[in-house]
Amino acid sequence: DAGVTQSPTHLIKTRGQHVTLRCSPISGHKSVSWYQQVLGQGPQFIFQYYEKEERGRGNFPDRFSARQFPNYSSELNVNALLLGDSALYLCASSVGTGTNQPQHFGDGTRLSIL
Amino acid sequence: AQSVTQPDIHITVSEGASLELRCNYSYGATPYLFWYVQSPGQGLQLLLKYFSGDTLVQGIKGFEAEFKRSQSSFNLRKPSVHWSDAAEYFCAVRGGSNYKLTFGKGTLLTVNP
Repeated sequence: DAGVTQSPTHLIKTRGQHVTLRCSPISGHKSVSWYQQVLGQGPQFIFQYYEKEERGRGNFPDRFSARQFPNYSSELNVNALLLGDSALYLCASSVGTGTNQPQHFGDGTRLSIL
Repeated sequence: AQSVTQPDIHITVSEGASLELRCNYSYGATPYLFWYVQSPGQGLQLLLKYFSGDTLVQGIKGFEAEFKRSQSSFNLRKPSVHWSDAAEYFCAVRGGSNYKLTFGKGTLLTVNP
């Protein structure tokens, strides 16, 4: 079975632009979470979606938004890009939102802002 | 608020030697604890998890971890390290009805031949 897939793998943008990152969860998984990993740090939680509804949001500005589609795939959107948005963006999926359900991660999208 | 501390930023061991990576967490009730491994340019792979029950949990690739409530610790161990274990290791906590994972800053493992 395919794992969590993310696209694109790499992306280069300039300040002020907008970006959309995509994630397809493991088949049968209904929950998707997004994390930002800045170089040298652990991942930081951005969003969790379940059944197309936002279930949780981390401490990120409103420039960050996301949505989940009926097939449970998800998009992360970032507007008005800043240099500090350069990071690895990770998507994780789980069967549901229960705390005893482990999250499985994709390989991420490396976003570079020039 | 929940938090995780990984005191060691970088550890170097020789191949075949034993390994222990430290993790301390902060959470008011019984936490759910995880160890993930990340190879360069890759995502995170789940090594093992603790939810309840036996405090010594076994994971993939020969890793194990022990939950010690009195010390708020969840240290990762492996009796004999292989060169392929070189990677970055992250400890994470998830508590109660909280949906998010909170990660430590990671420990980079270097394995010498």
